Amino acid sequence: NAGVTQTPKFRVLKTGQSMTLLCAQDMNHEYMYWYRQDPGMGLRLIHYSVGEGTTAKGEVPDGYNVSRLKKQNFLLGLESAAPSQTSVYFCASSYRDTSNQPQHFGDGTRLSIL
Amino acid sequence: AQKITQTQPGMFVQEKEAVTLDCTYDTSDPSYGLFWYKQPSSGEMIFLIYQGSYDQQNATEGRYSLNFQKARKSANLVISASQLGDSAMYFCAMRKGSRDNQGGKLIFGQGTELSVKP
Repeated sequence: NAGVTQTPKFRVLKTGQSMTLLCAQDMNHEYMYWYRQDPGMGLRLIHYSVGEGTTAKGEVPDGYNVSRLKKQNFLLGLESAAPSQTSVYFCASSYRDTSNQPQHFGDGTRLSIL
Repeated sequence: AQKITQTQPGMFVQEKEAVTLDCTYDTSDPSYGLFWYKQPSSGEMIFLIYQGSYDQQNATEGRYSLNFQKARKSANLVISASQLGDSAMYFCAMRKGSRDNQGGKLIFGQGTELSVKP
C-alpha cells in the first residue's frame, strides 16, 4: 500500500542549483499539495493542484514552481535554490477538497541548501 | 483569518496515563473540519482523527478522542492509556469547506511535542 511517495528523501544543494522533487500517489486523488515544514511554524502551503493540468499558488509560493502533467504526479521545482529554502517538504493528496476529507501525506523530503 | 493555536510546545506524561493536548481555532466559516496528525521522530505525518463542525458527538478512534467545544472554539486531543510509542509531535489542523478554500488546504498549528515516560 504505497499511498503517497516522495523522492528523494534527502538532498543537499548549493545556493543557485536547481532541482525537482517528485510526488506520486496511487489513490486516484484529484487534489495534491506541497507544504514546507519549518521549526516552530507548522506546515505551510506552497502550491496545490485541483486536477491534472492545473496548479495554483498557496501561502508561500515564491521561489518554487510546480507541474501536474499526470494525475498521479505532482512535481515541485526549485529553479535557483536559496538557503531560506532549507526545509522539510511534504506532499499530500486528497480525494476531494471538502472539509471532511483528510489529506494523506508522503514521508517528506529533507532539503538543505548550503 | 483562519488560525490554529497550540499553546503547549512540550508535554510529558507517564506511561499508561491519559493526556490532553490543547488546540484552539479561529474561523468565521460555519463549515470546517478539524484534524489531528502525529509526526514521530521518523518524520512522516500520520492522520489520527477528524471532527466536523456540524458533528454533535465527539470523535473517537481507538485510544484517541477529540474533546470538541464549538462555543469555545477548542478541539483538544485526548490520548488514553499512553504508550511509549505515542512519543511524537502532534499537530492540530483545520480545513474549510469547499468555497474559496485554496483547494481545501490544511491550516496547521505549531505542534505539541509529547514525551511518554516509562
